[in-house]
Amino acid sequence: GAGVSQSPSNKVTEKGKDVELRCDPISGHTALYWYRQRLGQGLEFLIYFQGNSAPDKSGLPSDRFSAERTGESVSTLTIQRTQQEDSAVYLCASSPFSGGGDTQYFGPGTRLTVL
Amino acid sequence: DAKTTQPNSMESNEEEPVHLPCNHSTISGTDYIHWYRQLPSQGPEYVIHGLTSNVNNRMASLAIAEDRKSSTLILHRATLRDAAVYYCILRDPFGNQFYFGTGTSLTVIP
Repeated sequence: GAGVSQSPSNKVTEKGKDVELRCDPISGHTALYWYRQRLGQGLEFLIYFQGNSAPDKSGLPSDRFSAERTGESVSTLTIQRTQQEDSAVYLCASSPFSGGGDTQYFGPGTRLTVL
Repeated sequence: DAKTTQPNSMESNEEEPVHLPCNHSTISGTDYIHWYRQLPSQGPEYVIHGLTSNVNNRMASLAIAEDRKSSTLILHRATLRDAAVYYCILRDPFGNQFYFGTGTSLTVIP
């Protein structure tokens, strides 16, 4: 079946512009995660959605970052007034449930470059 | 807040077994041990997970120490396609986060 998809695959923007990144999870997956991965580093948790519950936003680095998800469908991550330090690969993952034994399925990521 | 310690890099010869170690001395009684790997320019992919007992699947085996303070991912016959960064992760079933850390970069030598 179809996996997690993300768009765009690459995004180049100028400092100060807003960007919107999209994630299409696997159908039926209730949990959705966003991560950031800077060059040569591990994944940094940003935000978590579980069904219709309030999202866990504890990983968002500043108030310039926000994300939305309607029900168990598409999610968008928005970065306002982008800065050069926002340059990274942004990864989305979905999971059929949330718990100790859950498995996350990752998308290919969106590579964001802020000039 | 990475809770695991892994070597930065390892090398293996093709078609030989690989043992990737992970220390997690602060593991709680309910934490699951997960392994993911990330091939170049791709998102991470699930490899295996376990709680207390050793686990086997088509990709790998997971050996968990009796005190659960360490674990080892075993690739039985390394291939060139196994070259990746391998992440050992503790999964708190009551939390929302996976702490990926920096992982072990595995190089497979032909």
